[in-house]
Amino acid sequence: SAVISQKPSRDICQRGTSLTIQCQVDSQVTMMFWYRQQPGQSLTLIATANQGSEATYESGFVIDKFPISRPNLTFSTLTVSNMSPEDSSIYLCSVAYGNTGELFFGEGSRLTVL
Amino acid sequence: QQPVQSPQAVILREGEDAVINCSSSKALYSVHWYRQKHGEAPVFLMILLKGGEQKGHEKISASFNEKKQQSSLYLTASQLSYSGTYFCGTRVSSGSARQLTFGSGTQLTVLP
Repeated sequence: SAVISQKPSRDICQRGTSLTIQCQVDSQVTMMFWYRQQPGQSLTLIATANQGSEATYESGFVIDKFPISRPNLTFSTLTVSNMSPEDSSIYLCSVAYGNTGELFFGEGSRLTVL
Repeated sequence: QQPVQSPQAVILREGEDAVINCSSSKALYSVHWYRQKHGEAPVFLMILLKGGEQKGHEKISASFNEKKQQSSLYLTASQLSYSGTYFCGTRVSSGSARQLTFGSGTQLTVLP
């Protein structure tokens, strides 16, 4: 398993601003994932953060809106840009372990956009 | 495509049993099960690989019928600590973990 720390745990932001969420893992991992969980909903993969290359985005998510950095094998950031109330969600960082790729999640960053 | 979970919600008394189902329209390589308590991160419970295996974890077990593209999670003699939302995650190939797609979740409430 892994210890995954996310910052901030929660924030309230104004429309039109940007927020960067940090994710720190206590061991080196190849793949880090960013998920969004809207209130009462399931987990939706935003992108896969690859070390040394650009992130891979899922359908419906674009780099301009959700730029991601992955400077090393233990750290990643997700920025939510030009926020609107529709971006109010929990954003979760995750890593995969083992051959079967079970996921371990950070505690999430609860974002409220006014 | 998102797997379909049923039921959407279930309420139990302590000691009762529950079954949560997860079905996919695609052939599956594996099924993951996670539990998320309110305000917390999802926690991995178990994974089932194709081959129809059944796994157990304390009083929580699961089966995977790859022909029917279905998995079921069995909770026996429910405890208060079992309350939470259960998600299945499905993978259609043995490729990278990004292929994991989560179901809509089943909210389980265990009452004393």
